[in-house]
Amino acid sequence: AQSVSQHNHHVILSEAASLELGCNYSYGGTVNLFWYVQYPGQHLQLLLKYFSGDPLVKGIKGFEAEFIKSKFSFNLRKPSVQWSDTAEYFCAVNAMTGGFKTIFGAGTRLFVKA
Amino acid sequence: SQTIHQWPATLVQPVGSPLSLECTVEGTSNPNLYWYRQAAGRGLQLLFYSVGIGQISSEVPQNLSASRPQDRQFILSSKKLLLSDSGFYLCAWRRGVAGESYEQYFGPGTRLTVT
Repeated sequence: AQSVSQHNHHVILSEAASLELGCNYSYGGTVNLFWYVQYPGQHLQLLLKYFSGDPLVKGIKGFEAEFIKSKFSFNLRKPSVQWSDTAEYFCAVNAMTGGFKTIFGAGTRLFVKA
Repeated sequence: SQTIHQWPATLVQPVGSPLSLECTVEGTSNPNLYWYRQAAGRGLQLLFYSVGIGQISSEVPQNLSASRPQDRQFILSSKKLLLSDSGFYLCAWRRGVAGESYEQYFGPGTRLTVT
């Protein structure tokens, strides 16, 4: 069965610090990978996604993620965080052969101090 | 453009009472529909998904059921609520066409408190 593991449940950073959130998944076949974000009081929304091609994908608000197939990882990065990045971040995997199901990680709560 | 609605936004129900949460999607046809429960520190737990009218797949055996009476309507129900059913319930949709983007679009959620 597929599973997604997010390494950190809570992260506290100061503004301008660099961010890296870890995500590992377990599935041996072709996958689609996602990072979703939930800002306080807002809907869960897509931050970025990987389907194929360049393993370094860029999303909204300066976020990027790198798919490393050999490590089954899809870590999220941002070189310099802002107070407005305070949110909960979810990594998610959709196995191509599974089709319909997307499995989410437990989430990482990021708090950025101004 | 597509929109997704959920209601009610919040609900407080006594143990043993029935439940009906509704989700509707506008602006698309034949979507895949999903119900998730979000719990702090546990991420999003997939409860049910549907690829068409009357077609429901259950991921977690529990006190809940789902139905899809119309193409863009997805209902989460329970005959008798338990305290453990408290949580934040999210509905989501995804394009149902093979090869299309698999990203999901989420509704605003329903906060259910069982007392």
